[in-house]
This record gives sequence, structure tokens and C-alpha cells, in this order.
Amino acid sequence: NAGVMQNPRHLVRRRGQEARLRCSPMKGHSHVYWYRQLPEEGLKFMVYLQKENIIDESGMPKERFSAEFPKEGPSILRIQQVVRGDSAAYFCASSPLLGEYSTGELFFGEGSRLTVL
Amino acid sequence: AQTVTQSQPEMSVQEAETVTLSCTYDTSESNYYLFWYKQPPSRQMILVIRQEAYKQQNATENRFSVNFQKAAKSFSLKISDSQLGDTAMYFCAFMKHRGGAQKLVFGQGTRLTINP
Repeated sequence: NAGVMQNPRHLVRRRGQEARLRCSPMKGHSHVYWYRQLPEEGLKFMVYLQKENIIDESGMPKERFSAEFPKEGPSILRIQQVVRGDSAAYFCASSPLLGEYSTGELFFGEGSRLTVL
Repeated sequence: AQTVTQSQPEMSVQEAETVTLSCTYDTSESNYYLFWYKQPPSRQMILVIRQEAYKQQNATENRFSVNFQKAAKSFSLKISDSQLGDTAMYFCAFMKHRGGAQKLVFGQGTRLTINP
């Protein structure tokens, strides 16, 4: 059973370009989380999605950032017009459900490291 | 809102020693999950141990055990017989059990170094 798959592992963008990060959850998991980790800091929650629905986006910056999890295909975190402060590691996690709630076990991908020049 | 605090930015011990990492949290929830995650230099987030708040018994996983004090809102991690491979960042995390959007809230982390 493959784990949570994230790609690309490393992405370099120039200021003003767009960054797209992809996440495929573990088989059977229909809920996905995105977290951001700045250097020497902990993980900060960004967004929580289920297929075709955003459950909680309270951690997402209001501008330039968006996330989706379509019916088919991976979840996408999109950052438009990137700035140097967007440089960070972006982690995706998925969780199995018990009924409608997470079991509390999050499985993380290896992260995507974004560098903005 | 829930908050998680790790008051030890860095710790260092000799191989084979026992080390305890501290974590406190603040919540008005009565039932929730608590976690310790390990992040080695590879940056992969690895679940070390998980505790359900309604369970009084402290969770253990081989050399890893927790001291869960619900009234004090404290959740420390004890690593026994520490090994060089235990060198990593350790993050304490909280998730509510039910109701509304569940998400992991992380502490700031403790950098643990095991010296040979």
C-alpha cells in the first residue's frame, strides 16, 4: 500500500511565477490536509479537504493561495505570484475515517520544498 | 482555539540514556487525541506515539512512552535507552476527537540530539 505521494519533491520558482504542488493520499483515504513548515519552525495548518469540498481553510492566506481536491486525481495546492516568503516545505497528510470523523491518524508525505528566487 | 507548547527548544543526551520531552496544551475539549511526531533530517514526519484522552492508561511503543496528565494538560514523551537514530525534531500535536473540522495543531518542536 503506497503511502502519501507528493510531487515535486523540490520546486524552484522566480518571484511572480506560479507554484503547483500535488498530493495523492493513501489508498482508501478521502481526506487530505496541507501544512506549511518554515525553516526551523513547526508545521502550520493550511487547509483540510475532502473530495470536491473544502472543510476548513482557516490557515490559508487570503490571497494567492488556493487548494482543491477533485473527484479524480490528486489534491493540488496552488500558489500564484510567489514571493520569497513562500519558500518553505509543504506537507500533505491523509487520514482514514471512522464514520465521518478522522480516526486521528494522519499519514504524511515526504513534503515538497519550494524555493523562491 | 487549541494551543500546544513545547518549552524545550533543544535537548542533548548521551546514547543509552533516558530523555523526557515536555509538552503542554490548552483546550476546552473533553475528548481529543495527542501525538508525538518525529522529524529526522530527511524531514519525513513519522508518528511516534498516539494517546486518546479518554484512555487513562499511558500509551507505550517499545522504547517510547508518554506521561499523560489530563488535569494538568501535560503530555510528555519519554525515550528510554536512546539511540543515535533518535536524533530528530520532535513535535507534540493535538487533534480534537469529534465535531467540526479536525486538524492537527503542532507545537514548536524540540530538537533532540543523541551523542555517541
